[in-house]
Amino acid sequence: GIQVEQSPPDLILQEGANSTLRCNFSDSVNNLQWFHQNPWGQLINLFYIPSGTKQNGRLSATTVATERYSLLYISSSQTTDSGVYFCAAGEYGNKLVFGAGTILRVKS
Amino acid sequence: EPEVTQTPSHQVTQMGQEVILRCVPISNHLYFYWYRQILGQKVEFLVSFYNNEISEKSEIFDDQFSVERPDGSNFTLKIRSTKLEDSAMYFCASKAEYSIPETQYFGPGTRLLVL
Repeated sequence: GIQVEQSPPDLILQEGANSTLRCNFSDSVNNLQWFHQNPWGQLINLFYIPSGTKQNGRLSATTVATERYSLLYISSSQTTDSGVYFCAAGEYGNKLVFGAGTILRVKS
Repeated sequence: EPEVTQTPSHQVTQMGQEVILRCVPISNHLYFYWYRQILGQKVEFLVSFYNNEISEKSEIFDDQFSVERPDGSNFTLKIRSTKLEDSAMYFCASKAEYSIPETQYFGPGTRLLVL
């Protein structure tokens, strides 16, 4: 089955800094989603991005499907960006397989 | 914007008791999922449900677990006899049929604590 690996496992940033989170997946996928898990444990959907590039405010994501990786960029980080970022991948209609996540701490 | 809802938000139960976690998927969605996340670990797939039957289940989803769509709006996960290791956050998700994008929408979760 699909395997998903994320790096780095932990990241500490000063407020205002930029960061890049990486997600590698083992097979071709029809679905790739990035989530932010907030302090209350909720999974906030950031992007659906099985290929290409998308931007939403200070966040953007790029997936290179042929090379089986996705990147999440956070620019001008804020303390509210802190939390765990998960990448999840899957095939059409099927389960999502989650990576282990990247714990991001943004310090003021 | 439509969203997936889950009740209760928190539940505390005694080991061996039955619990039912409830989910209301987005109204025109036809694929339903349950995932769980043990504290500090990654999110794991439990079961998917489509066309009124289970389409896939994980090794975690043993005979103690069952799912049901009792009416046109609710989707439930039942744990028949809870164990300590069932303590986790349980997420429900739904997806439209033949949708582009292929996004799964997640509910806010039910935090289950088994004592």
